[in-house]
Amino acid sequence: SQKIEQNSEALNIQEGKTATLTCNYTNYSPAYLQWYRQDPGRGPVFLLLIRENEKEKRKERLKVTFDTTLKQSLFHITASQPADSATYLCALDIYGGSQGNLIFGKGTKLSVKP
Amino acid sequence: NAGVTQTPKFQVLKTGQSMTLQCAQDMNHNSMYWYRQDPGMGLRLIYYSASEGTTDKGEVPNGYNVSRLNKREFSLRLESAAPSQTSVYFCATSPGPPTETQYFGPGTRLLVL
Repeated sequence: SQKIEQNSEALNIQEGKTATLTCNYTNYSPAYLQWYRQDPGRGPVFLLLIRENEKEKRKERLKVTFDTTLKQSLFHITASQPADSATYLCALDIYGGSQGNLIFGKGTKLSVKP
Repeated sequence: NAGVTQTPKFQVLKTGQSMTLQCAQDMNHNSMYWYRQDPGMGLRLIYYSASEGTTDKGEVPNGYNVSRLNKREFSLRLESAAPSQTSVYFCATSPGPPTETQYFGPGTRLLVL
């Protein structure tokens, strides 16, 4: 069956450290992968999109990698801050780029302690 | 710009009652989506509309109907609510290919007793 998994439900780190979140998938050939942030009681907010032909994407303190051989994406937040505490969702397109439908992972709840 | 708006924010229904969740966007996006989010299950697609006048089933369409009223509005109807439909419902939009970023509304919390 088709699956997308985020490796941990919760991740606790100390302020200033780098947070690394993992997204693994099976049985898909996505054209791109996206990461979203969701705060309690709110809808997800888009952070980054990485395409299948891109190995790495950066935006300020965020970095995403995409390994289509391993079927894995890593999401890094460097110099983490308590304000980064949220749930982070990865999402894949399920039609290889021909449509916009996404399948979402269950999310990893990140807590950054001061 | 309001972005994506959803009404109501919160609703309590009794089993068997019907209701319509409303979603509107002012971003001129072509595609619109309805998701439900349950603890431990993540976001699951109920229905989507790739463009005005078209709708298609997602992963969990049973018990729901949708209407793409015009380009701006996409409604989700529960004809006979069941406790299993207790959830948080999110509407999302995207411009359409090749830009597939989705923009989410604030959600509707639905409790079915």
